[in-house]
Amino acid sequence: SYEITQPLSVSVALGQTARITCGGTNIGNRYVHWYQQRPGQAPLLVMYRDSKGPSGIPERFSGSNSGNTATLTISGAQAGDEADYYCQVWDSSTAVFGRGTKLTVL
Amino acid sequence: RLQESGPGHVKPSETLSLTCTVSGGSISSTNYYWGWIRQPPGKGLQWIGIIYYGGSTSYNPSLKSRVTMSVDQSNNQYSLRLTSVTAADTAVYYCASRGSEGHFDYWGQGALVTVSS
Repeated sequence: SYEITQPLSVSVALGQTARITCGGTNIGNRYVHWYQQRPGQAPLLVMYRDSKGPSGIPERFSGSNSGNTATLTISGAQAGDEADYYCQVWDSSTAVFGRGTKLTVL
Repeated sequence: RLQESGPGHVKPSETLSLTCTVSGGSISSTNYYWGWIRQPPGKGLQWIGIIYYGGSTSYNPSLKSRVTMSVDQSNNQYSLRLTSVTAADTAVYYCASRGSEGHFDYWGQGALVTVSS
């Protein structure tokens, strides 16, 4: 089965740029989707197909995917961005989620 | 748009049953698959499976022997059954729609199901 690696935690100073990675063998050949989950809430799609932002998601969120690493970038991090972030891919007919990265905004 | 419903408590060895009601769109849409994802307390997301309105399914291999999903087009609903539950099945269960790019774009608020005697 396909395995995804995410850092357990990432910290970023208020207003700076946060980068959350999602690693996997040749993950660049797959579409990567990203979800934000604030405490007590359902996940929210913030990026799909590597770099497409859904309607309503600030342009501060961007994504890239190449080689063995996909990256979700949050520019000008705000306090409200503090959350868990999960990446997700498909492996044949099976959805695979990363274990999640806790983003802390300092 | 999606709302889970079902018992919040199930006894060990019994069957967990949840329903997801879709509003604001048709479950018969050819653009969507309909999925279930769960999250044990304090842990990450685990995909359970998806179903197409016509009935075709795909399940997580680790749960496949215990999972059944079905669609009720007349009520715009789809359902999850998980048999022989244990405490390890205690989780918040989310229903979510899967878009054409493979992303889960709309999620229900989640339903906590506790397995205990």
